[in-house]
Amino acid sequence: DTAVSQTPKYLVTQMGNDKSIKCEQNLGHDTMYWYKQDSKKFLKIMFSYNNKELIINETVPNRFSPKSPDKAHLNLHINSLELGDSAVYFCASSQEVQTPSTGELFFGEGSRLTVL
Amino acid sequence: GESVGLHLPTLSVQEGDNSIINCAYSNSASDYFIWYKQESGKGPQFIIDIRSNMDKRQGQRVTVLLNKTVKHLSLQIAATQPGDSAVYFCAENRESGNTPLVFGKGTRLSVIA
Repeated sequence: DTAVSQTPKYLVTQMGNDKSIKCEQNLGHDTMYWYKQDSKKFLKIMFSYNNKELIINETVPNRFSPKSPDKAHLNLHINSLELGDSAVYFCASSQEVQTPSTGELFFGEGSRLTVL
Repeated sequence: GESVGLHLPTLSVQEGDNSIINCAYSNSASDYFIWYKQESGKGPQFIIDIRSNMDKRQGQRVTVLLNKTVKHLSLQIAATQPGDSAVYFCAENRESGNTPLVFGKGTRLSVIA
């Protein structure tokens, strides 16, 4: 009965590789997000999609490409991984289109990416 | 209290005491604020929110206070329990317009049994 699920939970890879993280939500929400959390726990939004359309792209390098095949899925593909990409990536969803005015931003459990 | 530099600010409280976690926000146009709790190995979870037309809102064991004059937000937890140990984030947003939720840097709450 998981609301927002992401896979994999842990990912260890070499610099230069390409990897993907998948996210699915079964809440029927229209909007999905990717957030990056660094080693200092700082959470920063990367992307937001509403009903498969890109709404927010917060100056993330082109190596990061989100893909939303339908409104329940938002995957994150990263090309040519760099050391600085090591972080925990969180997927989230909300009912509201742009700003979650009800506060109900539901997060997945995170995917810890380690680039060696 | 607060600390600067590389470490996450940490607040240690005795079980049963009240906790107060503070947050300063930067955008005077922000009109909606949320507190999230992140337990170890999990994603952030919504605790309580407040809109800018209010200065106080209470939930179950939690109270959020908003001081727009000094752009300060606080989360008070009554009778702190070991299960309250987590990292707490404040987040701000403008209810109108296409702006993302902006999270503060987080405070780690450690409850001493």
